[in-house]
Amino acid sequence: AQSVTQPDIHITVSEGASLELRCNYSYGATPYLFWYVQSPGQGLQLLLKYFSGDTLVQGIKGFEAEFKRSQSSFNLRKPSVHWSDAAEYFCAVAIYNQGGKLIFGQGTELSVKP
Amino acid sequence: DTEVTQTPKHLVMGMTNKKSLKCEQHMGHRAMYWYKQKAKKPPELMFVYSYEKLSINESVPSRFSPECPNSSLLNLHLHALQPEDSALYLCASSQTQGERSKQYFGPGTRLTVT
Repeated sequence: AQSVTQPDIHITVSEGASLELRCNYSYGATPYLFWYVQSPGQGLQLLLKYFSGDTLVQGIKGFEAEFKRSQSSFNLRKPSVHWSDAAEYFCAVAIYNQGGKLIFGQGTELSVKP
Repeated sequence: DTEVTQTPKHLVMGMTNKKSLKCEQHMGHRAMYWYKQKAKKPPELMFVYSYEKLSINESVPSRFSPECPNSSLLNLHLHALQPEDSALYLCASSQTQGERSKQYFGPGTRLTVT
């Protein structure tokens, strides 16, 4: 069955430090991968997506992610974190031929220390 | 305009009440989605409408009744809910339904069932 795993429930980083959020997926075919961010009490905002092509994708707010098929991973990175990046981050995979249904990971809560 | 709006922001209802949640988008999208999100959990898909027709029903109890009166509007009618139905209800839309479609999320309606 398709699944998405985010191994880190909660991460704390200092402002200005680099960030990497991990995401592993289980999917038999080429995955359609997404990273979303959710601020407290808000909806989800798409940061970036990967369908095919260049395995390093750039997103909004200075985020990037790298698709590694050999490791079944799609980790999210940011070189320098800002206090406003504190939020919940969800990795998701869209299942082919199931009408855009997204399978989400459990989420990683990011806290930023001043 | 890349906005999905949802009303009301908050709703408290008793178990015998009937209420409705409303979602609206003016991006010309032809796919609209309802998700349920419990605290500290990822969103779970409930329904998908494509071209105003119900496309996916994720075995949601009949006390939740979706309606898509036109391509811009999506309603979720609620009746005889249980306390465990308390959650954040998110609406999303995308240009079309499919695994490559970017879903835009609204801010959600926070529902409390007493």
